[in-house]
Amino acid sequence: EDKVVQSPLSLVVHEGDTVTLNCSYEVTNFRSLLWYKQEKKAPTFLFMLTSSGIEKKSGRLSSILDKKELFSILNITATQTGDSAVYLCAVTYGNKLVFGAGTILRVKS
Amino acid sequence: EADIYQTPRYLVIGTGKKITLECSQTMGHDKMYWYQQDPGMELHLIHYSYGVNSTEKGDLSSESTVSRIRTEHFPLTLESARPSHTSQYLCASSFRGNYGYTFGSGTRLTVV
Repeated sequence: EDKVVQSPLSLVVHEGDTVTLNCSYEVTNFRSLLWYKQEKKAPTFLFMLTSSGIEKKSGRLSSILDKKELFSILNITATQTGDSAVYLCAVTYGNKLVFGAGTILRVKS
Repeated sequence: EADIYQTPRYLVIGTGKKITLECSQTMGHDKMYWYQQDPGMELHLIHYSYGVNSTEKGDLSSESTVSRIRTEHFPLTLESARPSHTSQYLCASSFRGNYGYTFGSGTRLTVV
């Protein structure tokens, strides 16, 4: 059965801390891995990763994929209270996505 | 600014009522999806469409039905709502071959 597992389930940090969120997957016909940020509404797209070892960066966020070990990490440096959200990892197979349960991040001021 | 719109944002209805959740996108995307998400849980695909007159059931069994008569419109219907249907319903769309989905703001449904 295809699955995506994220860890930790939840995380509380202080502003300025660096966090690493993990996503491991077991799917057939892997095509890409995506990270989303979900606040109160719908998920917003962060990154799409298709190749191993190539880091994607956007400001304080970065992500990398390891297709051999079947996992990805999302790093957030110098966290801010606005980073508080649920971070979702999703993996595409065929033309569909399978989502993990998410990591709840809370950044305290 | 969202290019995919869902209405209503919140809905509280009684058991047995028929409801339709609306989803429209203005991006000309050919692929559209409905996901169901309970609080703190993962997103589950319940329906998808690859184009007009094309609809398929997703990974999670659902008593809802969908239609795709126009490219931009993908409504979801529950013929007889039950409390077990209480959840958040998210609509999404993408271009063929593009895996970056655009999501709507969601409809939070409560059946009492």
